[in-house]
Amino acid sequence: DSGVTQTPKHLITATGQRVTLRCSPRSGDLSVYWYQQSLDQGLQFLIQYYNGEERAKGNILERFSAQQFPDLHSELNLSSLELGDSALYFCASSVGTSGIYNEQFFGPGTRLTVL
Amino acid sequence: AQKVTQAQTEISVVEKEDVTLDCVYETRDTTYYLFWYKQPPSGELVFLIRRNSFDEQNEISGRYSWNFQKSTSSFNFTITASQVVDSAVYFCALSASAGNTGKLIFGQGTTLQVKP
Repeated sequence: DSGVTQTPKHLITATGQRVTLRCSPRSGDLSVYWYQQSLDQGLQFLIQYYNGEERAKGNILERFSAQQFPDLHSELNLSSLELGDSALYFCASSVGTSGIYNEQFFGPGTRLTVL
Repeated sequence: AQKVTQAQTEISVVEKEDVTLDCVYETRDTTYYLFWYKQPPSGELVFLIRRNSFDEQNEISGRYSWNFQKSTSSFNFTITASQVVDSAVYFCALSASAGNTGKLIFGQGTTLQVKP
């Protein structure tokens, strides 16, 4: 158990819908990362928050957004869902952003299926 | 640009064989970190090792060992006397210091199948 929790574990929805994925980092970790794992794109970095502020953006679609709340949990919002958004979404957390403070621990993932 | 290449898509071995998973990376940063993660069939990502760019010492942890060579930009992972429980997808990842983000750039992964 990495200490990172993600809910829900599975999510099945229809095209055009909007969903919210939730992540609680390990106690003491300030940095939260979101990654998407799909068959065609592999594991890709989406976005990072550090202590409530956006720190870095990767290949995140405009239909997707995220935030980190004062209690440091994070939510990833996916809207206008398309079939191609079906993937495993991972959240990871680390103490900081670099060096020895960047050992990232991953949550169990949320498997999103868009029908 | 930063990139990680795992040229081996799938490897199949028989139990007790040694197996090496290759990882080649590209970065212009002088300070960076390399990682290996294991993804068993259950799906979670398990951290195995982190190495910084200034430490080229090889590391051994039980049946696992890692060979980091800056000259060839490689960070290879060897499993000695493989076991069925080693069957998983293994990812090599790079985190460069530029931008101070710590985001990970993953290779495509190598699926290792260990047969009894």
